[in-house]
Amino acid sequence: AQSVSQHNHHVILSEAASLELGCNYSYGGTVNLFWYVQYPGQHLQLLLKYFSGDPLVKGIKGFEAEFIKSKFSFNLRKPSVQWSDTAEYFCAGVRANNLFFGTGTRLTVIP
Amino acid sequence: SAVISQKPSRDICQRGTSLTIQCQVDSQVTMMFWYRQQPGQSLTLIATANQGSEATYESGFVIDKFPISRPNLTFSTLTVSNMSPEDSSIYLCSFSGIYGYTFGSGTRLTVV
Repeated sequence: AQSVSQHNHHVILSEAASLELGCNYSYGGTVNLFWYVQYPGQHLQLLLKYFSGDPLVKGIKGFEAEFIKSKFSFNLRKPSVQWSDTAEYFCAGVRANNLFFGTGTRLTVIP
Repeated sequence: SAVISQKPSRDICQRGTSLTIQCQVDSQVTMMFWYRQQPGQSLTLIATANQGSEATYESGFVIDKFPISRPNLTFSTLTVSNMSPEDSSIYLCSFSGIYGYTFGSGTRLTVV
């Protein structure tokens, strides 16, 4: 089945800790992958996207993600998190022009 | 990049009634999408709306319950019909463009 999966449901980190959120995809062909963030009470915002080219993608707010084809992964990383990064993070992929989402990972950053 | 406006932002509705949610994009877009985000869960695609044709519904969603209109390339509506408390969710519209997928701010629906 074509899907993306996120295995970390809830991650709790202290400020300045490094972050890596897992995302795996399970389909072939053209791979378009995204990371979205949803801050409490706010709407979805695009953090970064991968369509092709350099597998290391830089996004907004210091986030980056690496597309590793051999591992079917597109993990989100940030070297040092802040309290303001507390949010829900969604990995997403495209199938037949439709965007479909993973189950999301809730990140809580403790000051 | 294009801007998408969604309204209402929230509503509280009686069961058995219907609510129509509107989305307006400030430029023409080919494909628009409607999602549902149930409390504490991820986003689930309801349907894809193309101008000039019937919407394409995902498994588990039917036109009688979620009729969609797409009268032109900048506007779409989703109606949640004959509502029950299980329909309480956030409903979001979206479109795809050169910058990826952009989402409206969502409609928080509570059915009582």
